[in-house]
Amino acid sequence: DADVTQTPRNRITKTGKRIMLECSQTKGHDRMYWYRQDPGLGLRLIYYSFDVKDINKGEISDGYSVSRQAQAKFSLSLESAIPNQTALYFCAAGGGAGANVLTFGAGSRLTVL
Amino acid sequence: AQSVTQPDIHITVSEGASLELRCNYSYGATPYLFWYVQSPGQGLQLLLKYFSGDTLVQGIKGFEAEFKRSQSSFNLRKPSVHWSDAAEYFCAVIKTSYDKVIFGPGTSLSVIP
Repeated sequence: DADVTQTPRNRITKTGKRIMLECSQTKGHDRMYWYRQDPGLGLRLIYYSFDVKDINKGEISDGYSVSRQAQAKFSLSLESAIPNQTALYFCAAGGGAGANVLTFGAGSRLTVL
Repeated sequence: AQSVTQPDIHITVSEGASLELRCNYSYGATPYLFWYVQSPGQGLQLLLKYFSGDTLVQGIKGFEAEFKRSQSSFNLRKPSVHWSDAAEYFCAVIKTSYDKVIFGPGTSLSVIP
């Protein structure tokens, strides 16, 4: 099993729908991140969490929300999806002695029509 | 605010040629610095990191990077590129061990056989 698992891997939805992207990790790390990747823009930080009770906004949090259900689980929600949220979304986990070294999931490709 | 720039959006090199990918950061103190690689259709994988000490760091797959404080740079190098090195390369920065990881926009590398 992968250290960081994202579901779903691909999702097509319609404008206005609520979408949840889920992320789970088996590394026992405290820190978890959600990034969005768009061509030419690199990875932009949406939300991050340094422990279960700690949630922080990143640079592009508008239109998104997150939930840290447990140390191992960090979900990203789009309450009302819009077409410009079409992107590749990555979850990452970091912790332990190399707290700043991130392990990434394989990505969730979201298309909003 | 801290930021990371990668001046080259796309680079093409011939197989066997040397490679240097540029990364600059804007932050007064010495941050923690990373290079990640994203192969087509994959998540990101850590190539190497710099926290302190020797300014020339070695990574996986024959890559190395040099931290130059005076130039606020952390350039990635490889003496001889292989076709399998074709990928997207991301520089990343973290201000302190208690801060979030910020990524640059990425450099896409193509390798000509």
